[in-house]
Amino acid sequence: DAKTTQPTSMDCAEGRAANLPCNHSTISGNEYVYWYRQIHSQGPQYIIHGLKNNETNEMASLIITEDRKSSTLILPHATLRDTAVYYCIVRVAGSSNTGKLIFGQGTTLQVKP
Amino acid sequence: DTEVTQTPKHLVMGMTNKKSLKCEQHMGHRAMYWYKQKAKKPPELMFVYSYEKLSINESVPSRFSPECPNSSLLNLHLHALQPEDSALYLCASSPRFGQGAYEQYFGPGTRLTVT
Repeated sequence: DAKTTQPTSMDCAEGRAANLPCNHSTISGNEYVYWYRQIHSQGPQYIIHGLKNNETNEMASLIITEDRKSSTLILPHATLRDTAVYYCIVRVAGSSNTGKLIFGQGTTLQVKP
Repeated sequence: DTEVTQTPKHLVMGMTNKKSLKCEQHMGHRAMYWYKQKAKKPPELMFVYSYEKLSINESVPSRFSPECPNSSLLNLHLHALQPEDSALYLCASSPRFGQGAYEQYFGPGTRLTVT
């Protein structure tokens, strides 16, 4: 699975959009980009995933560049409850190792009032 | 019901004790996972079960023994643990393992302290 690079930490003002970048320059054509977050002392929570196209759900939007070497997770109106560690993960779908999530260090997002 | 439950929430055990962690899901998922998370570190995969059979063991020491008695239940049996095994143990499930882009649903974890 491709390796990801994320900033260690970011701040965001409450009510503003939080844009979390992820670099995955070695991603292969059959690798998906997944985002999870982990609020302090809780289990990780799935946010969104995508392959090539931009994706949106009730939690966030995922923007993947055309060359797929980087992506951005957007929380449109951050709240204090969005303070968490955000993990960007790329993984293969369709191989014998499918389903393995290899977590990197993630980005600690601090939403401030 | 999109919930994965784990019991107990907290566990303190001595190095000679035998204890078990329990995980349960009722989403009809056929893949279940154990992860270990040390403080301020990301989760690390330990085991994967697919259709109640062990698919992946990430070279975990034998003092950790997983068991999947049925499609809804996953246990982790602990014996002769070391203090460095103290961590948050997370269970997760997904519809399948091996095909498709399935998301994993995580439980809240069991905070284990080995004294």
